[in-house]
Amino acid sequence: SAVISQKPSRDICQRGTSLTIQCQVDSQVTMMFWYRQQPGQSLTLIATANQGSEATYESGFVIDKFPISRPNLTFSTLTVSNMSPEDSSIYLCSVGLAGGPTDTQYFGPGTRLTVL
Amino acid sequence: ELKVEQNPLFLSMQEGKNYTIYCNYSTTSDRLYWYRQDPGKSLESLFVLLSNGAVKQEGRLMASLDTKARLSTLHITAAVHDLSATYFCAGYNTNAGKSTFGDGTTLTVKP
Repeated sequence: SAVISQKPSRDICQRGTSLTIQCQVDSQVTMMFWYRQQPGQSLTLIATANQGSEATYESGFVIDKFPISRPNLTFSTLTVSNMSPEDSSIYLCSVGLAGGPTDTQYFGPGTRLTVL
Repeated sequence: ELKVEQNPLFLSMQEGKNYTIYCNYSTTSDRLYWYRQDPGKSLESLFVLLSNGAVKQEGRLMASLDTKARLSTLHITAAVHDLSATYFCAGYNTNAGKSTFGDGTTLTVKP
């Protein structure tokens, strides 16, 4: 299993500013994922961040808006740049353990972002 | 591209009753996950289903997988209030290296 922490847990930001969300895992993992979840909705994958390579972004998400860093196997950051109210959402970090067939994804507690 | 559809999206049950949540997926999925999310909380893994005919049970919840029908079910037996939550299924495609989530089923169990 994996224990994931995220910082900050919540923030209220002004339009046009940027926020960096940190994700820390208690073990080394290859695959890390960043999701967005709007209230009452499902999870939308923003990007996959594997250590040692550029993040892979899903359709509708671009690096300029959501730059990601993955400096080592236990840590990643997601920045939400030039924020607008439409970016208000919960941002979730997740890791996949590629060890065995029964491995699942583990999710961090989330960062609740409100943009005014 | 893998698409995952859940139904119903909302489910209100009486305590003690049984019900089933359905999860259909569009193309080959190498594994099927079920997650639980409580209000204001993150996702908790419930089951991982790998092969056709797989059945997993934990307490009042039982999940099954039919790969030929591209269908997974989450069966709730004798529901209790503590089971009130949103349940997500997700298909995983190894080639794509990512999971695709259904829209979730919000379950409310009433006394």
